[in-house]
Amino acid sequence: DIQMTQSPSTLSASVGDRVIITCRASQSISRWLAWYQQKPGKAPKVLIREASSLESGVPSRFSGSGSGAEFTLTISSLQPDDFATYYCQQYNDYPRTFGQGTKVEIK
Amino acid sequence: EVQLVESGGGLAQPGGSLRLSCAASGFSFSSYWMTWVRQAPGKGLEWVANIKKDGSEKNYLDSVKGRFTISRDNAKNSVFLQMNSLRAEDTAVYYCVRQFVWGPGILVTVSS
Repeated sequence: DIQMTQSPSTLSASVGDRVIITCRASQSISRWLAWYQQKPGKAPKVLIREASSLESGVPSRFSGSGSGAEFTLTISSLQPDDFATYYCQQYNDYPRTFGQGTKVEIK
Repeated sequence: EVQLVESGGGLAQPGGSLRLSCAASGFSFSSYWMTWVRQAPGKGLEWVANIKKDGSEKNYLDSVKGRFTISRDNAKNSVFLQMNSLRAEDTAVYYCVRQFVWGPGILVTVSS
């Protein structure tokens, strides 16, 4: 199975901060990576697919980059609505696997 | 608008069975693979199974192989997850997913 490792696990930040979350795969997954945002009690919402393609309706402050085995999600200027947990997911191979999540908290 | 609505969850005893259903609307159901993902209380996301557009290919998480069966009915725009031999570790919210679009989820609790 492909292991997905996110860092950090928890991140404390302030409104307006630039935030970067990293996701590393245990082997190359090309660009078959998605990023999700999840708020408590809600289903995950896709932000980015194919590593860098912004989903329709997602604010442009979110961006994704990377290929192969290393990826990043960047929030250029953190907004109050962005405090949530973020997950990466590979869909290059079975079983599909998720990172353990990064919780973005208010500093 | 794409809509996915899960049903069939609830309380089951260890060793028991449950059948989850997901009713889809707002898109051409037979054109998409469908997936089930679960999330144990306070934990991360875990992919469970998926099924090809015509039902001819199915893939499973190792820990559910032989116990869970995914199926679909394209005439009724529905996908199902038959869960047998349930274990405490199967307790989770189960989400129906269509290519990055998720339903609200349904809670399955396995406990005596």
